Amino acid sequence: SQQGEEDPQALSIQEGENATMNCSYKTSINNLQWYRQNSGRGLVHLILIRSNEREKHSGRLRVTLDTSKKSSSLLITASRAADTASYFCANQGSSNTGKLIFGQGTTLQVKP
Amino acid sequence: GAVVSQHPSRVICKSGTSVKIECRSLDFQATTMFWYRQFPKQSLMLMATSNEGSKATYEQGVEKDKFLINHASLTLSTLTVTSAHPEDSSFYICSAHRGIDEQFFGPGTRLTVL
Repeated sequence: SQQGEEDPQALSIQEGENATMNCSYKTSINNLQWYRQNSGRGLVHLILIRSNEREKHSGRLRVTLDTSKKSSSLLITASRAADTASYFCANQGSSNTGKLIFGQGTTLQVKP
Repeated sequence: GAVVSQHPSRVICKSGTSVKIECRSLDFQATTMFWYRQFPKQSLMLMATSNEGSKATYEQGVEKDKFLINHASLTLSTLTVTSAHPEDSSFYICSAHRGIDEQFFGPGTRLTVL
């Protein structure tokens, strides 16, 4: 399977704490994307990092990419109860077909 | 951002029937759309790539005769689950590809086969 792995599978923290999720992938990439999914709902695009980038910020989100290790991390700072959701990384391969291969996801619970 | 819709959002059907799910890109033309399936507490698994004007490309292990895909226009792709069985119950999500790396997801369709 080309599907990547994410860890931890589940994460429970208190509001205000930081949450870090890690993602590893198997194939070469054009870019790596992070998505959020609330229970039973569609996907919300969070951030995209290209293969030639190492770090990217968007509000309380910080994403890093290490292509030598085929890994990425998503950091959510100063978490809020509303951040409770599942988070998925998805890599778009170098073929530019647009096809995304998703990681297994991390379920984040932020306790108020 | 761009909007992709799916219809229906939820469908319940009897075993053996066929179910059609529509995916529309509302404000841009998408030559390529993707269909994903998500089982409870699992990740999204790519089923197939829907190409406008040509046959869909299916991922390994996905039966093309079971999951019929039609991409008749630049704004519409349909997925038909033929002779649905309870094990086909899942959350089906489409996405539409724009440009090099923009992809917009639909809200998903919850299929329950009794």
